[in-house]
Amino acid sequence: QAVVTQEPSLTVSPGGTVTLTCGSSTGTVTTGLYPCWFQQKAGQALRTLIYDTTNRHSWTPARFSGSLLGGKAALTLSGAQPEDEAEYYCLLSQSGVRVFGGGTKLTVL
Amino acid sequence: EVQLVESGGGLVKPGGSLRLSCAASGFTVTYAWMNWVRQAPGKGLEWVGRIKSDTDGGTAGYAAPVKGRFTISRDDSKNTAYLQMDSLKIEDTAVYYCGGANYWGQGTLVTVSS
Repeated sequence: QAVVTQEPSLTVSPGGTVTLTCGSSTGTVTTGLYPCWFQQKAGQALRTLIYDTTNRHSWTPARFSGSLLGGKAALTLSGAQPEDEAEYYCLLSQSGVRVFGGGTKLTVL
Repeated sequence: EVQLVESGGGLVKPGGSLRLSCAASGFTVTYAWMNWVRQAPGKGLEWVGRIKSDTDGGTAGYAAPVKGRFTISRDDSKNTAYLQMDSLKIEDTAVYYCGGANYWGQGTLVTVSS
């Protein structure tokens, strides 16, 4: 089973921009791995932010965007807000199974 | 409004069984890929498995740690997905979430302990 890697933690200033990445031990992440990004806040339901690499859900603020960057999937937050402080997980589909990354704890400070 | 409600969690002894339910409203589970993920206390998310939509064949797939012990199914008449968990181990202790059509439930806690 592939190992999916994310930065354990990142900090961004309010109004700033930050990019979270999602890599795979099997090599380059492509659209064929259908990268998804999730947001988890304490006491709240899991939220899908991005699916199929770049698609925002109806509730996903426009300041979040998904892409492929340097062989990895990426989630870019432009104009960070205090309410964006959360844990972010990526999910890749590989050989019929899906694998989560370890999560990135994002602090807005 | 889309809603997913998990139920069926609880305390079970190692080797025991439990069936989790995921009742959906606002969309039809028949046409969605239904996923189960779990989160052990203080840990990250772990994908457990999924069942494809009817139109995509309706087959189930599982993560290696649960393959052969867990079974995902669906009752279209009840618009509900299920996770049958057998031969439970202590390391299966987690909050279990179901997801479909990019929506997620609030989760149900499963504790495996003697």
